[in-house]
Amino acid sequence: GENVEQHPSTLSVQEGDSAVIKCTYSDSASNYFPWYKQELGKRPQLIIDIRSNVGEKKDQRIAVTLNKTAKHFSLHITETQPEDSAVYFCAATSGGYQKVTFGTGTKLQVIP
Amino acid sequence: GAVVSQHPSRVICKSGTSVKIECRSLDFQATTMFWYRQFPKQSLMLMATSNEGSKATYEQGVEKDKFLINHASLTLSTLTVTSAHPEDSSFYICSVVGGGAVDTQYFGPGTRLTVL
Repeated sequence: GENVEQHPSTLSVQEGDSAVIKCTYSDSASNYFPWYKQELGKRPQLIIDIRSNVGEKKDQRIAVTLNKTAKHFSLHITETQPEDSAVYFCAATSGGYQKVTFGTGTKLQVIP
Repeated sequence: GAVVSQHPSRVICKSGTSVKIECRSLDFQATTMFWYRQFPKQSLMLMATSNEGSKATYEQGVEKDKFLINHASLTLSTLTVTSAHPEDSSFYICSVVGGGAVDTQYFGPGTRLTVL
């Protein structure tokens, strides 16, 4: 089955700096890669996703890149703000109602 | 995206009792729902895939007789934790696929189960 690794497990950045979280996956059939933000005690919220036919996607301060050959994908957050502090999960799925495999999570702390 | 609710949001029970958690898709009909468990400071672990009108598909290591799943309608799936024990204490979250893209999952608010 699919295995998703995520690094780093914790990340502290100064407000205004950029944050990068990296994930790798094992199943070459995976073709959909969502990123979720989870605040303490709350549900994961989808923040951005990318499909395998696209190499990069951007939404305001958030961007995701995908390297299918290397089976890598990354989340980039620019101009970080304290409200970006949360746990971020990457995930991979083969799509079409298939199950999602989550990474281990990255706790991001943005220091004011 | 899809709007998903869960009930209850928090439950405390004694060891040996059974607890039922409801997951509802509020704005569209969901043939497939997923149930996850999340222990503190850990990732979401898929427990089972709930299919409307048929038996749930359980992940390896998840006891189907302990975690009973019923998906009797297109808007409701239930997870019953039978004979709960303290080690079952966790955050249980359901998700629904769709309401937009066919493979995007939208999560319920979760249920915090504490077994004393």
